[in-house]
Amino acid sequence: SQQGEEDPQALSIQEGENATMNCSYKTSINNLQWYRQNSGRGLVHLILIRSNEREKHSGRLRVTLDTSKKSSSLLITASRAADTASYFCATDASTGFQKLVFGTGTRLLVSP
Amino acid sequence: EPEVTQTPSHQVTQMGQEVILRCVPISNHLYFYWYRQILGQKVEFLVSFYNNEISEKSEIFDDQFSVERPDGSNFTLKIRSTKLEDSAMYFCGLERQSNYGYTFGSGTRLTVV
Repeated sequence: SQQGEEDPQALSIQEGENATMNCSYKTSINNLQWYRQNSGRGLVHLILIRSNEREKHSGRLRVTLDTSKKSSSLLITASRAADTASYFCATDASTGFQKLVFGTGTRLLVSP
Repeated sequence: EPEVTQTPSHQVTQMGQEVILRCVPISNHLYFYWYRQILGQKVEFLVSFYNNEISEKSEIFDDQFSVERPDGSNFTLKIRSTKLEDSAMYFCGLERQSNYGYTFGSGTRLTVV
């Protein structure tokens, strides 16, 4: 399978609920990043977690990283309709320059 | 005002024609990248650029592709002779420092007909 596989592929929830997306990868990494993409639009950087970190918070976002399992999760708490988007994890295993390997993404739909 | 502007936002071109996609960072960045996303597929790395030269490129980045910073500000991706399969969203990515996460442009949607 590919480096950076997210699951689920699609997630549909109601506003106010929490959304959890998972990412698995194959190789050792320097860091893992999460990006958001609204339909047909650009990529927005959400959060970066380094390989020596286990958890990171940013507003309503919580990211965990388990390097022993080569997996990460993105939790969005108290979701809003505006959170509807695709979410991608991207891993960087390169030295010096960041060559990101993106996952397939999770499409999140938050209904009002 | 966005930190990174990409132009054009959408370009339709005939197969075999040359296209130039532009990326204009507002503030100083050190590392420059191009990625592409074919509709419904993953975002794929094309090339990284540092200190006015290519530092790494993918298999996709063949002889039809080239990058440059002609005036020290704009960062361009040129496709010399477009093919149908070049149709995709192209994103430039910029970093001020290594390992701090990218700022991506809003993308150029290239349609080759």
